[in-house]
This record gives sequence, structure tokens and C-alpha cells, in this order.
Amino acid sequence: GAVVSQHPSRVICKSGTSVKIECRSLDFQATTMFWYRQFPKKSLMLMATSNEGSKATYEQGVEKDKFLINHASLTLSTLTVTSAHPEDSSFYICSAPRDRGRLDTQYFGPGTRLTVL
Amino acid sequence: GIQVEQSPPDLILQEGANSTLRCNFSDSVNNLQWFHQNPWGQLINLFYIPSGTKQNGRLSATTVATERYSLLYISSSQTTDSGVYFCAVAASGGSYIPTFGRGTSLIVHP
Repeated sequence: GAVVSQHPSRVICKSGTSVKIECRSLDFQATTMFWYRQFPKKSLMLMATSNEGSKATYEQGVEKDKFLINHASLTLSTLTVTSAHPEDSSFYICSAPRDRGRLDTQYFGPGTRLTVL
Repeated sequence: GIQVEQSPPDLILQEGANSTLRCNFSDSVNNLQWFHQNPWGQLINLFYIPSGTKQNGRLSATTVATERYSLLYISSSQTTDSGVYFCAVAASGGSYIPTFGRGTSLIVHP
């Protein structure tokens, strides 16, 4: 089946540094990818929709200058948390739909746990 | 946007017990899916079920679209069923981007 990978799986960084998280679709092309954030014992919150070849679409309340998204190719989207602070610590998950119109083709990455000290 | 409510928020079972998880949604949907998030965080697709009934082994799901709810049944639960179960929906005629419920946290004791 289709696989979506994320790298790194876990990262610990100092406050003020920037962290880049990669999301790759391994065996299909994804013109769209989604980035979610999940707090402990909470639901997944959609942060932004990453679009290949164009700007990302951010959800209300998500700072686009804080969370930079680049969809450089049909198989890679990156999320960069700039000048990270402890409140940015969270579990970040990406997903990619093989078929734009259907939820059952959503494939989720394994997530990246970010801890900002 | 569409609202998704899941119940119960927490559930503790003894191995072998059966359970029913519920997902209510506030608008017509054309997409609905159940996920299991394992203790390591990986989301696993269980069912794509905007309407009707499906079964896969010990799990089954039913969505009554006209009444805006879906049920996930777990029979003969096992410790490996532990984790969080999410319902995600997309409203008819709107964006296909799913909205997730808050999940049901399930712990199955041996």
C-alpha cells in the first residue's frame, strides 16, 4: 500500500532555533499534502494545506511566518518551525491523499515529535 | 464548519469485551473515516464509510448518514486494540479536507 514517511521522527531543539520536518510520499505523487498538529490527548488540528508549485493554504489562527511550508516536488513537502519556542512542542503529522476527492486515500505519516527546550 | 463529536472520550475494557464507539456530525457528509492511532502515534485507516455497514474481522462500522452518526464496533477486544480511535468527516459539497473528532481513548487490560 501507499506509504508516507516523515523525517525526523523525533527532534529536540533549543528555544530560538528552526526545525525542518520532511514529509514524503514514497510510491505515489501528491500534489497536495496536509500538515496537522496534535497536542497530548487531543485531536488532530489541521494547520495548512501544502500545494505543489504554489503557496500553502493556512488555517485560521496558524502563523504562516512561524510555520513555513514548501512543497518542492510531487513527493516532498517540508514544514519549518521557525524560531521555535516551548509552546511549539507538539506532535506534527502529515498526510497525503492519493485521490483528491476521497478520504479513504488519505495516507498519514508516522509523525514527528518536536520538543523545544 | 462541520462539528464532529465522539463518545465516550475514554473507555477501559477487559480483554474479550465488546464495545461501541459513536461519532455524531453536524452536517451532511460525503466522506467519513475511522482511524486508529496506536501508542506510537501512527494513524491507521480502519474504515471508509460515508454510509452503510462494513466489517473487517473483529471490527465493524455503520454510518446512518440521514441521522448523522456513525458507530464503530469492536468485538472480543484485545490489548493491541488499545489506542485512540478517531472519526474524520468531510461535509458534502464543501472541502474534502477531513475534520477530526476528539477521539475515544481505549485501554484494553489483559
